[in-house]
Amino acid sequence: SQQGEEDPQALSIQEGENATMNCSYKTSINNLQWYRQNSGRGLVHLILIRSNEREKHSGRLRVTLDTSKKSSSLLITASRAADTASYFCATATQGGSEKLVFGKGMKLTVNP
Amino acid sequence: GAVVSQHPSRVICKSGTSVKIECRSLDFQATTMFWYRQFPKQSLMLMATSNEGSKATYEQGVEKDKFLINHASLTLSTLTVTSAHPEDSSFYICSAQVLLGGRGETQYFGPGTRLLVL
Repeated sequence: SQQGEEDPQALSIQEGENATMNCSYKTSINNLQWYRQNSGRGLVHLILIRSNEREKHSGRLRVTLDTSKKSSSLLITASRAADTASYFCATATQGGSEKLVFGKGMKLTVNP
Repeated sequence: GAVVSQHPSRVICKSGTSVKIECRSLDFQATTMFWYRQFPKQSLMLMATSNEGSKATYEQGVEKDKFLINHASLTLSTLTVTSAHPEDSSFYICSAQVLLGGRGETQYFGPGTRLLVL
């Protein structure tokens, strides 16, 4: 699989439900970040989790990181129609590189 | 929060012309800016890393003579698509990185520029 690959690729849920997105990566990382992108717009940074962290919360967002499995998950609780967007994970690799490698992205649709 | 702007937001041009896209960090200084390209329904692909006052570092497969990058100041980087062709039509996004304690982590993204080459 590709570095930073999200699973599932598309998810459709009802408002109020929780949405979980998973991301897998291949190399050792410094940190992993989640971004959201509304259609045809730029990216908005959601949350960053460092390689020595296992879980992080920000509002309705919860991110976990399992470096042994090289995977991360993003949970959005009590989803809203406004959460409809594409979500990307991106990894910053070890070795001093500041570059981010983005996953393919996941399209979340929250139906009102 | 950190704001990054891009100009223009969309541009339509004829094949063979050159197009310049500006990326500005509005309320912070960014030593590093990144340029990405995103095709429809695909992810962002890094094109080049731009550091103020030095030459850009291009990713493998990106033609440096076709995509000219200038990073003249800590708040401005420009990408010029030279002799644009229809296959260059894409969504170009820049980001700027803030150094915290000597480490760069979060990248702040511009709103993107939609390029359509006819």
